[in-house]
Amino acid sequence: DAGVIQSPRHEVTEMGQEVTLRCKPISGHDYLFWYRQTMMRGLELLIYFNNNVPIDDSGMPEDRFSAKMPNASFSTLKIQPSEPRDSAVYFCASTYTYRQPQHFGDGTRLSIL
Amino acid sequence: AQTVTQSQPEMSVQEAETVTLSCTYDTSESDYYLFWYKQPPSRQMILVIRQEAYKQQNATENRFSVNFQKAAKSFSLKISDSQLGDAAMYFCAYRSATGNQFYFGTGTSLTVIP
Repeated sequence: DAGVIQSPRHEVTEMGQEVTLRCKPISGHDYLFWYRQTMMRGLELLIYFNNNVPIDDSGMPEDRFSAKMPNASFSTLKIQPSEPRDSAVYFCASTYTYRQPQHFGDGTRLSIL
Repeated sequence: AQTVTQSQPEMSVQEAETVTLSCTYDTSESDYYLFWYKQPPSRQMILVIRQEAYKQQNATENRFSVNFQKAAKSFSLKISDSQLGDAAMYFCAYRSATGNQFYFGTGTSLTVIP
């Protein structure tokens, strides 16, 4: 199995630009999670999906953030417009059921200048 | 609300020695899961060990073991015979048995000294 695949690995862009992060979960996993990691706040859950449906987006910091999962094999996290404080590593993870451990992607390091 | 606290931002251990990383959590639930994740410089998040709250026996995975004290809401990770490859950031995590919300600590950076 290829594991959870995230792209891009690194993203550097200027503030105000739209940023799109992508994630391909492990085939057959019904749950997909988006996390943000910063030095100050550690790892935070932003949103998670079950069977492509957003279940809990209470961790999404503000309206500039949006996430979609158009099908079982693809999800995006979009920031528009981006701000320097959005700079962080963003992880995607997937799992079969809530009782199973989550498998993480390698993360996307996002730098907003 | 559930919270997870890792009070040691940094730890170091001599190679081949034993080190214990601390984690405490706050919850009103009786059934839940606890995890330790390792994040090496490559940034990949790796599951190290998990513990079901309803199990009294402490989980063990090779050189990694936990000391789970449910009443004290404590979940420490012990690494025996530390190796250079153990150097990483370690995250403690809590997950409710009834939902799928994860709560993470802020991490402990472990250095292994040759």
